[in-house]
Amino acid sequence: GAVVSQHPSRVICKSGTSVKIECRSLDFQATTMFWYRQFPKQSLMLMATSNEGSKATYEQGVEKDKFLINHASLTLSTLTVTSAHPEDSSFYICSARAPNSHGYTFGSGTRLTVV
Amino acid sequence: AQKITQTQPGMFVQEKEAVTLDCTYDTSDQSYGLFWYKQPSSGEMIFLIYQGSYDEQNATEGRYSLNFQKARKSANLVISASQLGDSAMYFCAMREKDNAGNMLTFGGGTRLMVKP
Repeated sequence: GAVVSQHPSRVICKSGTSVKIECRSLDFQATTMFWYRQFPKQSLMLMATSNEGSKATYEQGVEKDKFLINHASLTLSTLTVTSAHPEDSSFYICSARAPNSHGYTFGSGTRLTVV
Repeated sequence: AQKITQTQPGMFVQEKEAVTLDCTYDTSDQSYGLFWYKQPSSGEMIFLIYQGSYDEQNATEGRYSLNFQKARKSANLVISASQLGDSAMYFCAMREKDNAGNMLTFGGGTRLMVKP
C-alpha cells in the first residue's frame, strides 16, 4: 500500500534554532501534501497544504515565515520550523492522498520538543 | 461552526462487546466523503473506513462499519467484538466536495478504552 515516510520521529531542539521535518511518499507520487499539528489531547489541525512546484497554502493563523514548507519534488515535502520556541512544541504529521483510494495515508508523525 | 462534532470525549467498552462512536457533520456540499481514523498512543493515523455521500450502502471493513444517516448528517462508527488493541483515539473526518485536492477536517476525537 501507499506509504509516507516521515523523519525524524522525535526531535528536541533549543529555543531559537530551526528544525526540518521531511515527508517522503515511498511508492507513489504525491502532488499534494497536507501538514497537520496536534497538541496533546487535541485533534489534528491543518497548518498548510503543499503543492509540488508551487507555493504552499497556509491556513488562517499559521505564520508562513515561521513554518516554511517546500515541496520540491513529487515525493518529498519538508516543513521547517524556524526560530523554534517552546510553544511550538507539538506533534507534527503529514498526509497525502493514497492513489486509487479514497483514503489518505499519514506519516508516522514528529514529536517536537523545544527547550 | 464545527464541521465535525464528536460528542464523546471518552468511552469504555467491555472486551468482545460492540461499541458505537458518534460523529455528526456540517456541510452544504452535495458531494463529500467521511472517514474514520484510529490513532494509538504511538501517534500514527490508521485509516479505518470511508463513506461517500452518494454511497447508498453503509460502508463496512471487517469489524468496522459506518452507520451513515445522511438526513441526520451523522456517520457513526460501529466496532464489533471489541479487542484490547482497539484502545486508542478515534477521529471522524470529512472531505468536502470529495475532491482529491481537498484536505480532511477532523473532529475532536473520542478516546476508546477496552476493558478486559
